Amino acid sequence: QVQLVQSGAEVHKPGASVKVSCKASGYTFTTYALHWVRQAPGQRPEWMGWIYGGNGNTEYSQYLQGRVTFTRDTSTSTVYMELSSLTSQDTAVYYCGRGLGYYGFDYWGQGTLVTVS
Amino acid sequence: QSALTQPASVSGSPGQSITISCTGTRSDVGGYNYVSWYQQYPGKAPKFMIFDVNKRPSGVSNRFSGSKSGNTASLTISGLQAEDEADYYCSSYTTSNTWVFGGGTKLTVL
Repeated sequence: QVQLVQSGAEVHKPGASVKVSCKASGYTFTTYALHWVRQAPGQRPEWMGWIYGGNGNTEYSQYLQGRVTFTRDTSTSTVYMELSSLTSQDTAVYYCGRGLGYYGFDYWGQGTLVTVS
Repeated sequence: QSALTQPASVSGSPGQSITISCTGTRSDVGGYNYVSWYQQYPGKAPKFMIFDVNKRPSGVSNRFSGSKSGNTASLTISGLQAEDEADYYCSSYTTSNTWVFGGGTKLTVL
């Protein structure tokens, strides 16, 4: 069965960087994109971008351009999301989600709480 | 990116039907059939409930259905059950090659 398992909660000071991992299993890693979506407390989810498991191509949301980087390791079927220059506005639960083409996100990781304080 | 507009809350009694609307623009909901819906319990990850406006992933109850008219998509839950009480979010692909979510609707089963 498809599973996405994310790394644990993190606490960082303003100005620091954070790197969250998402390990995929149960499907062919190189044939799907993995998206990152974050959700601040009590807020709607916010799409951050995607990375394609096959060739590593990425697309980032404009509002995060320059601060976020997605990478992947095909040997471990893991994708990484690194966010720099953290502010309190970045405090949120960060999710990875498998992309079903343009149709949405069919499997999600359990979420990683990132607190900036 | 502008969020899609959903009612903040809806409620219904067990066995009844409710509908949650999701209003966007021609650049998202109105421009594509790439509308999806997610159910989210507190502290949990979203669950994929509807895609391509009205298709259900395997394992999702047929009590959940979707539709779209113009710039507004809708999620209908029939035969309400206590376990349906959750937050529901719509999402759409956009002409900017991005995805946008709605503000969320809290469903209360009375």
